[in-house]
Amino acid sequence: DIRMTQSPASLSASLGETVNIECLASEDIYSDLAWYQQKPGKSPQLLIYNANSLQNGVPSRFSGSGSGTQYSLKINSLQSEDVATYFCQQYNNYPLTFGSGTKLEIK
Amino acid sequence: EVKLLESGGGLVQPGGSLRLSCAASGFTFADFYMSWIRQSPGKAPEWLSFIRNKANSYTTEYNPSVKGRFTISRDDTQNVLYLQMNTLRAEDTAIYYCAKPERNWADYFDYWGQGVMVTVSS
Repeated sequence: DIRMTQSPASLSASLGETVNIECLASEDIYSDLAWYQQKPGKSPQLLIYNANSLQNGVPSRFSGSGSGTQYSLKINSLQSEDVATYFCQQYNNYPLTFGSGTKLEIK
Repeated sequence: EVKLLESGGGLVQPGGSLRLSCAASGFTFADFYMSWIRQSPGKAPEWLSFIRNKANSYTTEYNPSVKGRFTISRDDTQNVLYLQMNTLRAEDTAIYYCAKPERNWADYFDYWGQGVMVTVSS
């Protein structure tokens, strides 16, 4: 199985700040990477796919980058509604696997 | 509007069985590969299985963690996805989601159901 190591596990930032969340794959996943946002008590919502493609309806302050084994999610101008847990997911190989999550809070 | 509505969860004893259903609407269900994903409280999601469409012979893929115990199936006439779960263990306790891929063959998911809780306990 491809292991997805996500960091940090938790993050506290101020409104308006820029935050970065990292995801490291145990092998090359050729940009087959998605990012999801999950708010408490809700289902995950797709933010980014193919490492850097923004899902329809997702604010442009979210962006993804990376290649090979290293990927990141960037959130510009942090808003209060961005409080959530963020997960990466690889789909280069089965079984599909997720990172352990990053819990984002407002400072 | 895409809707996915899971049902069939509940409390079951270790070694028992449950069948989950997911009623889909708002898209051409028959065209899409469909997946089941679960999430234990406070943990990352775990992909369990998907089933391809008729054009791809309804073939399936499973996570080794559930292969041989869980069976995915679908009824395209009723737009329903199923997950038969046998020989359940305490570690199968989780919220179970059905999920629709962003494109009919894709392996990332733009819609998830609200989830159904499965608790395995004596």
